[in-house]
Amino acid sequence: KNQVEQSPQSLIILEGKNCTLQCNYTVSPFSNLRWYKQDTGRGPVSLTIMTFSENTKSNGRYTATLDADTKQSSLHITASQLSDSASYICVVSSYAGNMLTFGGGTRLMVKP
Amino acid sequence: DAGVTQSPTHLIKTRGQQVTLRCSPKSGHDTVSWYQQALGQGPQFIFQYYEEEERQRGNFPDRFSGHQFPNYSSELNVNALLLGDSALYLCASSSGTGGFREQYFGPGTRLTVT
Repeated sequence: KNQVEQSPQSLIILEGKNCTLQCNYTVSPFSNLRWYKQDTGRGPVSLTIMTFSENTKSNGRYTATLDADTKQSSLHITASQLSDSASYICVVSSYAGNMLTFGGGTRLMVKP
Repeated sequence: DAGVTQSPTHLIKTRGQQVTLRCSPKSGHDTVSWYQQALGQGPQFIFQYYEEEERQRGNFPDRFSGHQFPNYSSELNVNALLLGDSALYLCASSSGTGGFREQYFGPGTRLTVT
């Protein structure tokens, strides 16, 4: 069964600090991995998308890494801002079935 | 260029009723996927429409049905509503059905069943 597990479930950090969110997956055959940011009550917005051959991808203060051998990914947020408060969802796509498997998300709260 | 739009924004229904949610894809996209997101959880795939046909379906009962129109817009219908159907319903559009296709999400419709 295809699964995506994220940790931690929730996280509180102070403004200006860095943090790292984790994602482990068992989706096979792997196509790509995406990180989305979702503000409360809104639709997810794509941050990064990585294929099998990509190890790192950055989008401003967001840097995603992928280890396809261990089936792990991380999202690192640098110099956090209050606007980073949101849920961050890891999504893995498989070539089989063309469906996306979503993780449960990490709810990040950045406090002043 | 308008992104993915959904209507209505919020909806309150009573158990046993039926509901229809609507989605207009991003310009140039021909594939629409629907997701259910319960509070505090990640989205769950309901089904995907391409060329006016249901192409993929997740683990949802037949009470959940859909339709895609020639202009690529789509509807999600839920019959015999249950309290557990209360959720944020997300629509995502893409160009083509491949799993590697970038999906763009709409703002969602918040459905509350009382």
